[in-house]
Amino acid sequence: EVQLVESGGDLVQPGESLRLSCAASGFTVSNNYMSWVRQAPGEGLEWVSIIYSSGSTYYADSVKGRFTISRDNSKNTVFLQMNGLRVDDTAVYFCVRTVNGAVDYWGQGMLVTVSS
Amino acid sequence: DIQMTQSPSTLSASVGDRVTITCRASQSISIWLAWYQQKPGKAPKLLIYKASTLESGVPSRFSGSGSGTEFSLTISSLQPDDLATYYCQQYHGLFYTFGQGTKLEIK
Repeated sequence: EVQLVESGGDLVQPGESLRLSCAASGFTVSNNYMSWVRQAPGEGLEWVSIIYSSGSTYYADSVKGRFTISRDNSKNTVFLQMNGLRVDDTAVYFCVRTVNGAVDYWGQGMLVTVSS
Repeated sequence: DIQMTQSPSTLSASVGDRVTITCRASQSISIWLAWYQQKPGKAPKLLIYKASTLESGVPSRFSGSGSGTEFSLTISSLQPDDLATYYCQQYHGLFYTFGQGTKLEIK
């Protein structure tokens, strides 16, 4: 059974850093395209970052230069390192797997709150 | 990045109505489009991929069509359980983007 379990969400102050983790089971992260998608309170979905099976990574303009996606193949886990957090980064962050571009599995979602 | 524009933003309809949501891409994305349904407090659920392919287990009242820059999601006979927000998502190229969402309300 495929599962994505996120951890690391917290309340932080503007400018601080946070690392989100997504532990996968039921499939191999390194053989798939993995992404982070976020949803600000009461707002729509925003694609944040993607890491391809090749290891190539891409980011939304809103987080480029501040966020880094990575994976640990030995732990079958994907990470999102978030630096220089801003108030408008406050959102529920979902770890997702895409197959042929469409998201077939979502994590439960994890709240990140950036506030002074 | 490719921009996706959905319309309408909010839609109110009655049970049994035929409902259509439209999604427009800022450039051609061929058929690389998916539709999702999100209920309050839940993660989105995949309904349609490759513009018109129904995901396994999704009721047949949902259908998708379109190619290039114009796409639509149709619910043939609206049911109370369809109360949700619907999103389109393009996956053409190296980075993916969502539409802003359409909130479907039941009259």
